[in-house]
Amino acid sequence: EVQLVESGGGLVQPGESLRLSCAVSGFTFSKYWMSWVRQAPGKGLEWVANIKEDGSAKYYVDSVKGRFTISRDNTKNSLFLQMTSLRADDTAVYYCARDSPMGSDWGQGALVTVSS
Amino acid sequence: QSLLTQPPSVSGTPGQRVTISCSGSSSNIGSNFVNWYQQLPGTAPKLLISNNNQRPSGVPDRFSGSKSGTSASLAISGLQSEDEADYYCATRDGSLNIWVFGGGTKLTVL
Repeated sequence: EVQLVESGGGLVQPGESLRLSCAVSGFTFSKYWMSWVRQAPGKGLEWVANIKEDGSAKYYVDSVKGRFTISRDNTKNSLFLQMTSLRADDTAVYYCARDSPMGSDWGQGALVTVSS
Repeated sequence: QSLLTQPPSVSGTPGQRVTISCSGSSSNIGSNFVNWYQQLPGTAPKLLISNNNQRPSGVPDRFSGSKSGTSASLAISGLQSEDEADYYCATRDGSLNIWVFGGGTKLTVL
């Protein structure tokens, strides 16, 4: 059974940092691109970033470039999203998702709240 | 403002056929495959259609996708109450592996 489990969400103040993790099981993690997708409260889905199978290519939505870093550890079947300089408009549920095709499997999401 | 435009809402009665449109441009839909996702209330999204018209295993054949030029559509036939959900289209934008979602369409089954 494919499982993606996000962790690391929480309440932070504007300007602070947070690191999300996604533990994967049920498929060969190292063979797939992976994505992070977020959803602000009451809003639609927004693709955030993705990373190639071996980590050699990474892409970001413009609004997080320079602040967020996607990474992976294929030895631990884990995906990460390091978020810095967080802003109120980063408040959202963050989902990790398997690609090929994009969003073929999703985690349950981790809530990140940025508020003073 | 999303690069992909969907109607905010559509509605239908049980058994009816409804369609949801997704309008883009030559840099996204016009040159890439389109995926569709279903998000039931309070749950994570689920892939419904990939590569314009491919249904993943387990998705009923009541759901179908199509693409023409810079627009795509999701059709749901034999509408059921459990189809009430938010539906999103998505595709790559440009030649890189950068993705964009439509704003989403809320389907109400009357």
